[in-house]
Amino acid sequence: EPEVTQTPSHQVTQMGQEVILRCVPISNHLYFYWYRQILGQKVEFLVSFYNNEISEKSEIFDDQFSVERPDGSNFTLKIRSTKLEDSAMYFCATQDGNSNQPQHFGDGTRLSIL
Amino acid sequence: DQQVKQNSPSLSVQEGRISILNCDYTNSMFDYFLWYKKYPAEGPTFLISISSIKDKNEDGRFTVFLNKSAKHLSLHIVPSQPGDSAVYFCAVPGGGADGLTFGKGTHLIIQP
Repeated sequence: EPEVTQTPSHQVTQMGQEVILRCVPISNHLYFYWYRQILGQKVEFLVSFYNNEISEKSEIFDDQFSVERPDGSNFTLKIRSTKLEDSAMYFCATQDGNSNQPQHFGDGTRLSIL
Repeated sequence: DQQVKQNSPSLSVQEGRISILNCDYTNSMFDYFLWYKKYPAEGPTFLISISSIKDKNEDGRFTVFLNKSAKHLSLHIVPSQPGDSAVYFCAVPGGGADGLTFGKGTHLIIQP
């Protein structure tokens, strides 16, 4: 079964540094998403991406965050200047474009900000 | 503003018995509901879904029931197996490209 692949599995970064989290979507999927889960809390939607632009973003997705699909395969989430509270699991998800089909998630990147 | 509520943080069930996980929602306009399962150190895995035009959807050991008048859905697992021990999330989509809104999850523990 096709999978969503995320790298790295764990990223440790000093506060204030930039991080880029990477995702390889399932090949025929059209919609891409980032979610995060802070330890002990629920999975929260960050942003959706379709046709090379942001479709929707949550309140969490402020100016420190950006997404892009630089080479037609990878889908990236960049945090420009990390804060301690950015420490979380970040999940990428993709969907084939049929609204009644589920989103498929990667195994996540654990981001630890020191 | 919790649009999706899972009021039981954890549930312990004996192997072989039925597990029932509950979820309440607030918006009667939701038309599609999903259950995801999550193991530690893995991403959520889609389990089963139901459209609002149905009141039941079954897939093997897993059945989801939808009670629209009560704005309530439940996931039944029977018989429960040790591999079912995981956190279960109910979720609703915003529609189109919108992201999913998840409940807080219920940690299901299957005891031998």
